[in-house]
Amino acid sequence: QSMLAQPPSASGTPGQRVTISCSGSSSNIGSNPVNWYQQLPGTAPKLLIYSFNQRPSGVPDRFSGSKSGTSASLAISGLQSEDEAVYYCAAWDDSLNAVVFGGGTKLTVL
Amino acid sequence: EVQLVESGGGVVQPGGSLRLSCAASGFTFDDYPMHWVRQVPGKGLEWVSQITWDGDSTYYADSVKGRFTISRDNSKNSLYLQMRSLRTEDTALYYCAKEGSDPYAMDVWGQGTTVTVSS
Repeated sequence: QSMLAQPPSASGTPGQRVTISCSGSSSNIGSNPVNWYQQLPGTAPKLLIYSFNQRPSGVPDRFSGSKSGTSASLAISGLQSEDEAVYYCAAWDDSLNAVVFGGGTKLTVL
Repeated sequence: EVQLVESGGGVVQPGGSLRLSCAASGFTFDDYPMHWVRQVPGKGLEWVSQITWDGDSTYYADSVKGRFTISRDNSKNSLYLQMRSLRTEDTALYYCAKEGSDPYAMDVWGQGTTVTVSS
């Protein structure tokens, strides 16, 4: 099962703005909403962004999503130490009839 | 409180079978599709399967197709994953997840149950 492509790591200093990319194809990101998940160490994943740029209640507006063609991005502004986590993108794939996840991006707050 | 609690994990030999369960509470279970997602420790998330709210449609990752069966009992607020012909590469932490109001957005996750396939 093909995965969406994410950089394995990203980093930033407190207060900085960081973006994480997610690259797919016409059968997934190109035609379906992208969701982003945050997984803190030792915990279950948490839905962070859905339908490209919507935040569930309780998610700070420091987190935002966007999409262009077959790629999507997660932006985190005003970076905080508690944002240190692994971030995954995901989307439904029309060709596979399956959800595909990105490989995950480990965000380090320096 | 919205909650999902998985159970049924354990150690099984290659070729064996195991049935995972997920007990849901705090929401109207039969309103939502449900998913299973797995994670090898230290690795990324891998989607396993999805079932529609009424159980009429199911979808599987290629890696488990023909070996795993997802099902649900709405009268018991429960989701299941029957796993057969288990392989060492099925070793992982298995999460059940509730789909939200937006398609394929998993807005509630359980804490997971561990499956270890080893001789």
